[in-house]
Amino acid sequence: EAGVAQSPRYKIIEKRQSVAFWCNPISGHATLYWYQQILGQGPKLLIQFQNNGVVDDSQLPKDRFSAERLKGVDSTLKIQPAKLEDSAVYLCASSGGGGASSYNEQFFGPGTRLTVL
Amino acid sequence: QQQVKQSPQSLIVQKGGISIINCAYENTAFDYFPWYQQFPGKGPALLIAIRPDVSEKKEGRFTISFNKSAKQSSLHIMDSQPGDSATYFCAASRSGSARQLTFGSGTQLTVLP
Repeated sequence: EAGVAQSPRYKIIEKRQSVAFWCNPISGHATLYWYQQILGQGPKLLIQFQNNGVVDDSQLPKDRFSAERLKGVDSTLKIQPAKLEDSAVYLCASSGGGGASSYNEQFFGPGTRLTVL
Repeated sequence: QQQVKQSPQSLIVQKGGISIINCAYENTAFDYFPWYQQFPGKGPALLIAIRPDVSEKKEGRFTISFNKSAKQSSLHIMDSQPGDSATYFCAASRSGSARQLTFGSGTQLTVLP
């Protein structure tokens, strides 16, 4: 079974530029998550989708970050304009999404390492 | 507010030794406690998970112990191997939160050959 795919793996941009990350979850997984992992810290949830609807985006800096999951499969996360503090690894994860009471395992992709200069 | 506190930040163990990582949970509503292993350049991968109605769970060399009253858990890695060198994260989630995970800050484990 193919895992969660992400691209690009690395991206270097200058501050105030824009950048987009792409995620392809495991086939059939209804729930998709984007996390930000700053060096030396644990992943922090940015946004959660259930199919193509947003479940929670309370921690997404909406003035500069946006995400979409068209057709309930692939997802893109965009930052515009980027700031120095956005330098981090952006992880995508997916799960079977069995509902709020289930313990469906989250499977993570390899992440995209973003460096903002 | 840091709801999941993990210690130590880093750990160095000799091959064959026991690695112990601790986690404390501040949210009493948490009811699922997974531990993740992350190698450099990779995403976190589920290692082992426990629910509060179980005090201990063992999978191979990895054991989680859970103290419900103290709201703490520990990961023990027996007979630690150089291949276990990675960053370990404890996490927690609660029902009604769409099963979102709150992660600890991580422990970087180095097992010396």
